Amino acid sequence: TQLLEQSPQFLSIQEGENLTVYCNSSSVFSSLQWYRQEPGEGPVLLVTVVTGGEVKKLKRLTFQFGDARKDSSLHITAAQPGDTGLYLCAGATGAGSYQLTFGKGTKLSVIP
Amino acid sequence: DSGVTQTPKHLITATGQRVTLRCSPRSGDLSVYWYQQSLDQGLQFLIQYYNGEERAKGNILERFSAQQFPDLHSELNLSSLELGDSALYFCASSHMARDGAEAFFGQGTRLTVV
Repeated sequence: TQLLEQSPQFLSIQEGENLTVYCNSSSVFSSLQWYRQEPGEGPVLLVTVVTGGEVKKLKRLTFQFGDARKDSSLHITAAQPGDTGLYLCAGATGAGSYQLTFGKGTKLSVIP
Repeated sequence: DSGVTQTPKHLITATGQRVTLRCSPRSGDLSVYWYQQSLDQGLQFLIQYYNGEERAKGNILERFSAQQFPDLHSELNLSSLELGDSALYFCASSHMARDGAEAFFGQGTRLTVV
């Protein structure tokens, strides 16, 4: 069973602070996705990274895929209350089924 | 709005009962996935259908079954329900044009078994 470990599990910060969320596995993934989920809603895709060492930026969010394609990080600069939510990483196995293995998520609260 | 429609949004039922959850994928998407989300387990992949055929199975109990119809909508059937089946059930769809294809999630069905 391929597992994705996310850390920290909970994060509460003040508006304007920076933060990093980590997603680690002992398995290699062909691609990795980051989702954000708000209460009562389904996860919404933020980014997909496919190449080892790849860095993608989405406004104040920076995503990195590890060189070995086993880990990833999400860095948020100058967090805002609107960033509050559950951040999930999900890995694709590349086995042809396109199913995703999800981490348990990081629950972020940004306090005004 | 992701374009994926799930019904019903909430469902309360008693132990031992059977329920059916419905999912309409985004227009043009051939692949449908079902996930279960509980507080302690996170999002768990249950099953995937592609163009009417089962493509992959995850942690799906034998009491659960699914199918995808010719119009590509899918149903997840949960029977002999137990208290532990209470969870959010999500459907996602993708065009499946490439590995790790972007999956669009519905708003989920919150199932409460009492």
